Amino acid sequence: GQNIDQPTEMTATEGAIVQINCTYQTSGFNGLFWYQQHAGEAPTFLSYNVLDGLEEKGRFSSFLSRSKGYSYLLLKELQMKDSASYLCAVHIISGAGSYQLTFGKGTKLSVIP
Amino acid sequence: DAGVTQSPTHLIKTRGQHVTLRCSPISGHKSVSWYQQVLGQGPQFIFQYYEKEERGRGNFPDRFSARQFPNYSSELNVNALLLGDSALYLCASSLQGALSYGYTFGSGTRLTVV
Repeated sequence: GQNIDQPTEMTATEGAIVQINCTYQTSGFNGLFWYQQHAGEAPTFLSYNVLDGLEEKGRFSSFLSRSKGYSYLLLKELQMKDSASYLCAVHIISGAGSYQLTFGKGTKLSVIP
Repeated sequence: DAGVTQSPTHLIKTRGQHVTLRCSPISGHKSVSWYQQVLGQGPQFIFQYYEKEERGRGNFPDRFSARQFPNYSSELNVNALLLGDSALYLCASSLQGALSYGYTFGSGTRLTVV
């Protein structure tokens, strides 16, 4: 089966740096996505990693190690608007040419002054 | 450019009824996927359609069905509604072969079954 783990909740201070970890055990791995979801809204795309290493995009960076089944999302210079749920999602490809995202339960990040 | 649009935004149905949810993908996107998100959980995959054919199906009962039309819009149908079907239903479209742009989600349909 597919298993994706990430912390349920995290709290960090405005202006600080926070790292949200994600570990996964899946078959048919075809990359890993991070999404941000504010309460009651749709998930919005943050990053996609398919090769090992770090991808940087402004205040957000994402890292992937395929051999360890591990990823993290790094948020720098935290702002109050970064308070949201962060979803780790593994992209799975199956034999029939099916593509799907398998999500973790999400990490609710609270940014405090 | 219009994003992924879903209708209706909110819906209240009674147990045993059926419901049809609609999704229009981003122009040029031929792949549409449906997800169910229960409060406090990550989205769960229901269906993927590409070029009007079902390409993948998640672990959902046969009460759930979907289809994709020639203009790539899609419908999700749920029959014999149960209380447990209450959730946010998300539609996502993508450009096959361009995963670095991610899947774009619509704002969802909030279904409440009473």
